Amino acid sequence: AQSVTQLDSQVPVFEEAPVELRCNYSSSVSVYLFWYVQYPNQGLQLLLKYLSGSTLVKGINGFEAEFNKSQTSFHLRKPSVHISDTAEYFCAVTGLLGGSEKLVFGKGTKLTVNP
Amino acid sequence: AAGVIQSPRHLIKEKRETATLKCYPIPRHDTVYWYQQGPGQDPQFLISFYEKMQSDKGSIPDRFSAQQFSDYHSELNMSSLELGDSALYFCASSEFGVNTDTQYFGPGTRLTVL
Repeated sequence: AQSVTQLDSQVPVFEEAPVELRCNYSSSVSVYLFWYVQYPNQGLQLLLKYLSGSTLVKGINGFEAEFNKSQTSFHLRKPSVHISDTAEYFCAVTGLLGGSEKLVFGKGTKLTVNP
Repeated sequence: AAGVIQSPRHLIKEKRETATLKCYPIPRHDTVYWYQQGPGQDPQFLISFYEKMQSDKGSIPDRFSAQQFSDYHSELNMSSLELGDSALYFCASSEFGVNTDTQYFGPGTRLTVL
């Protein structure tokens, strides 16, 4: 079974500041890792994913994340945030067992970007 | 690009009533997943289907049932509704074996039980 821990429930930052949202996972098998963003009253949008290969993955809206197997982490970063990045961010994991695998989500991190 | 379609977007029901939520996956996607997101909570997996067969089951109450049809759309049927069923219900779809089955989510159906 897999589990995900998002270490910060809320992260307030000022506009144009850098941000890091932390995610750690636990799994007895190899995993795929994802970050989804949920804007207020909207659905879940895929930001980026790690499947294999380069441990640094780039996503939409200037976000990137680094997979660290030894630390079982997949932290999300953005060098300069905008007001429009205010949203809830979910880290998720799925097992590498081959198809139709459910996503297990973390509790979410609410990012608030202040002017 | 076409996305996952869910209907209705909002639904208000009384306790003990029934509700049916519909999901239309992205074209060519053969796998559908249902998730429930309570207020201020993370999404929780309910059930999934691949090629019209149930592929996995999570914490779905016995009062709920679901199926996937020949055109790959799916319906989640909820009976004897309780106040605690009020939540956002997401459907996601993926294409088996393609892009490691990355799941794409619909906008959700917000169910309110009064």
